[in-house]
Amino acid sequence: KAGVTQTPRYLIKTRGQQVTLSCSPISGHRSVSWYQQTPGQGLQFLFEYFSETQRNKGNFPGRFSGRQFSNSRSEMNVSTLELGDSALYLCASSLAPDNSGNTIYFGEGSWLTVV
Amino acid sequence: AQSVTQLGSHVSVSEGALVLLRCNYSSSVPPYLFWYVQYPNQGLQLLLKYTSAATLVKGINGFEAEFKKSETSFHLTKPSAHMSDAAEYFCAVSTRVSDMRFGAGTRLTVKP
Repeated sequence: KAGVTQTPRYLIKTRGQQVTLSCSPISGHRSVSWYQQTPGQGLQFLFEYFSETQRNKGNFPGRFSGRQFSNSRSEMNVSTLELGDSALYLCASSLAPDNSGNTIYFGEGSWLTVV
Repeated sequence: AQSVTQLGSHVSVSEGALVLLRCNYSSSVPPYLFWYVQYPNQGLQLLLKYTSAATLVKGINGFEAEFKKSETSFHLTKPSAHMSDAAEYFCAVSTRVSDMRFGAGTRLTVKP
């Protein structure tokens, strides 16, 4: 069974540009969440999608957005990139988002460097 | 809201020695607790999770953790460290997926 797949793995963008990251969840998983990992802030929740609807959003500016498709695949977009957006962006999937202790499984992440 | 505190950003042990990584949590409702490991340039891999079925939880790679409600702790242990255990370890608490809060992480170094 394939794990969570994220593309691209590495990318370099220039300040002011935008970027789109893609995530394919584990087959059968319908909940997808995104996290940003930086040395200074650690792991921070970005947003969560279930059934093509954003259910929750973390404390990030509106430049960060996402969506989920009918096949549960998800994309996140960051517009007007800033140097501080350089981070590892992790996608995670789970069967469902509710409080059943469902395990979330992480992809290997997309390393974004903004120069 | 729940939170996690990992005591010690860096832990160094000798190969074969006991590994003890500390995690204390705060939660207003019974929590789900997790330990994840992250190897360099990789995502997070689940080691084990606590969901109230048993206070002593056994995970992969010989790791285990004990839930102690009175101490609000969920420390991770392994009897004998191996060089391949060198990685960063994250404790996390959640009541639902979108509320998952991670600790700052503990980097484990294993000396030969």
